[in-house]
Amino acid sequence: GAVVSQHPSWVICKSGTSVKIECRSLDFQATTMFWYRQFPKQSLMLMATSNEGSKATYEQGVEKDKFLINHASLTLSTLTVTSAHPEDSSFYICSTERTGGTEAFFGQGTRLTVV
Amino acid sequence: AQSVSQHNHHVILSEAASLELGCNYSYGGTVNLFWYVQYPGQHLQLLLKYFSGDPLVKGIKGFEAEFIKSKFSFNLRKPSVQWSDTAEYFCAALPWRSSGSARQLTFGSGTQLTVLP
Repeated sequence: GAVVSQHPSWVICKSGTSVKIECRSLDFQATTMFWYRQFPKQSLMLMATSNEGSKATYEQGVEKDKFLINHASLTLSTLTVTSAHPEDSSFYICSTERTGGTEAFFGQGTRLTVV
Repeated sequence: AQSVSQHNHHVILSEAASLELGCNYSYGGTVNLFWYVQYPGQHLQLLLKYFSGDPLVKGIKGFEAEFIKSKFSFNLRKPSVQWSDTAEYFCAALPWRSSGSARQLTFGSGTQLTVLP
């Protein structure tokens, strides 16, 4: 069964609204979660590293005020796309791994379409 | 900086044909290497991984990959593809660090495989 659950799978929103994406670790406590973004025909690009109980670490070029990350518990990290615009339309995926583990587990991804 | 290159963006094969997808990585230290597959509308799934030991790694669904250190390559192979192998395939690298520190995967750009029935 799924180790990481991501919700929603797809969402359509109007420009200017905000969208929250949830990522839950089902089988283990995840002190660190990663958020990726995938543009069509391109690879997954790391956006930020979410750390439980502390501020997220954002990759260069990712606006922290636009992509708000909250990791309030050991099993849940959320990504909120604020004031969404059509160029934010993309596929967002979260992942995590067990401490000391050797395999990353991915959520099913969220297809965001901003109209 | 670490990078992963996949040179084939789209591969089209007929059923029973043999498959080889290229993957090259750039990193000065020890890396762990992975191949993931993403079927339409589904999660990324791990096909196989290489950490150490035998450079020929066997994964699920008949896939295998060979780590060639001198070439910085980790190509994915399957002797006979099936229509159900149609999916996107990603090569990824993870720099080795001691446990306790967070690590993130670096992905290649992906290869779309289409298998014609």
